[in-house]
Amino acid sequence: EDQVTQSPEALRLQEGESSSLNCSYTVSGLRGLFWYRQDPGKGPEFLFTLYSAGEEKEKERLKATLTKKESFLHITAPKPEDSATYLCAVGPGSGNTGKLIFGQGTTLQVKP
Amino acid sequence: EAQVTQNPRYLITVTGKKLTVTCSQNMNHEYMSWYRQDPGLGLRQIYYSMNVEVTDKGDVPEGYKVSRKEKRNFPLILESPSPNQTSLYFCASSPLSAGQPQHFGDGTRLSIL
Repeated sequence: EDQVTQSPEALRLQEGESSSLNCSYTVSGLRGLFWYRQDPGKGPEFLFTLYSAGEEKEKERLKATLTKKESFLHITAPKPEDSATYLCAVGPGSGNTGKLIFGQGTTLQVKP
Repeated sequence: EAQVTQNPRYLITVTGKKLTVTCSQNMNHEYMSWYRQDPGLGLRQIYYSMNVEVTDKGDVPEGYKVSRKEKRNFPLILESPSPNQTSLYFCASSPLSAGQPQHFGDGTRLSIL
């Protein structure tokens, strides 16, 4: 069964304290792995797409990496405005290009 | 401005009273999808549409209907809502498929009493 698991569920950091969020997946093939950011009361906002193991993407203080079984979202020197829920989603590669499976999310709080 | 618009944003209704949540996108996207978001369960896909008149079930389609008569619109229909459909609903679209980044609406919070 296709499955996406994110850890930890919640993470509290001090401003400037770097850390990583994990997204592990079990799917039949991989068409793409996506990271989204969701602020309270809003829809998810796209951050990154990763398509193959070894790929890395960066944007400001965020860096996403991908292996054959998991992805990490590294947050370097976070600021309070990075506080949000981060969602990982996977498009299985079994020929059906319509399905998308989300993890449960990691809620990040960055304290000043 | 590129956007996905959902209406209504909030709705409180009663069991069994049919309701429709509308979704419209202005980006000429082929692919659209509906999700529900529940605490501890994350986002789960209800239905998706690869193109006009082409729809398919996601992981939790029971109790929902959709239609795609025009490219820009993808309404979600609850024929006989029940309390277990109380949730936060999101519509999303992408240029071609789920294999591309999706643009999400701001959500519809449904409460079914």
